[in-house]
Amino acid sequence: QVQLVQSGAEVKKPGASVKVSCKASGYTFTDNYMHWVRQAPGQRPEWMGWIKPNSGDTNYAQKFQGRVTMTRDTSISTAYMELSELTSDDTAVYYCARDLGLYWGQGTLVTVSS
Amino acid sequence: DVVMTQSPLSLPVTLGQPASISCRSSQSLVYSDGKTYLNWFQQRPGQSPRRLIYEVSNRDSGVPDRFSGSGSGTDFTLKISRVEAEDVGIYYCLQGTQTITFGQGTRLEIK
Repeated sequence: QVQLVQSGAEVKKPGASVKVSCKASGYTFTDNYMHWVRQAPGQRPEWMGWIKPNSGDTNYAQKFQGRVTMTRDTSISTAYMELSELTSDDTAVYYCARDLGLYWGQGTLVTVSS
Repeated sequence: DVVMTQSPLSLPVTLGQPASISCRSSQSLVYSDGKTYLNWFQQRPGQSPRRLIYEVSNRDSGVPDRFSGSGSGTDFTLKISRVEAEDVGIYYCLQGTQTITFGQGTRLEIK
């Protein structure tokens, strides 16, 4: 069965970076796009971008251009999302989602606090 | 960005009764390939979102047939024919025709 398992919760100081991982199993990792979505407390989800695992091509939402980097390691079927220059506004649950469809990770809470 | 506006924001429904959620976009969602990239998601309390409907009216695998989607252009609707207890949660529309954006969500609760 398809599973996306994300790394654990993080607490970061303002100005720091965070890197969240998403390990895929149950399907061929390079066959599907991986999207990243975040959801601040009580807010609607917010799309951050996608990566094509077979090529490494990325497409980022304009809001995050210059601050987000999505990468992958095909040898271990894992996608990564790194967000830099964190502020308190980046406190949210971060999700990976295969094709933004049926299969989502469990979410990773990132808390930014001094 | 395309703005997605849902109504109502809160939807109390009696078990077994129908429910309907509206989603309007600030621009037409018809893409150059002729498809309309409007999806519906369900987020149960404490869970990740999951897609229910893609391209307006196509149910995802495993989604009960009491869920249906309709609409065109800028006006779309998600209907639940008979609400069950497991349907409690927040429902979001999403457009993928331009830079992906979500609606603000509709909270469905049992009356």
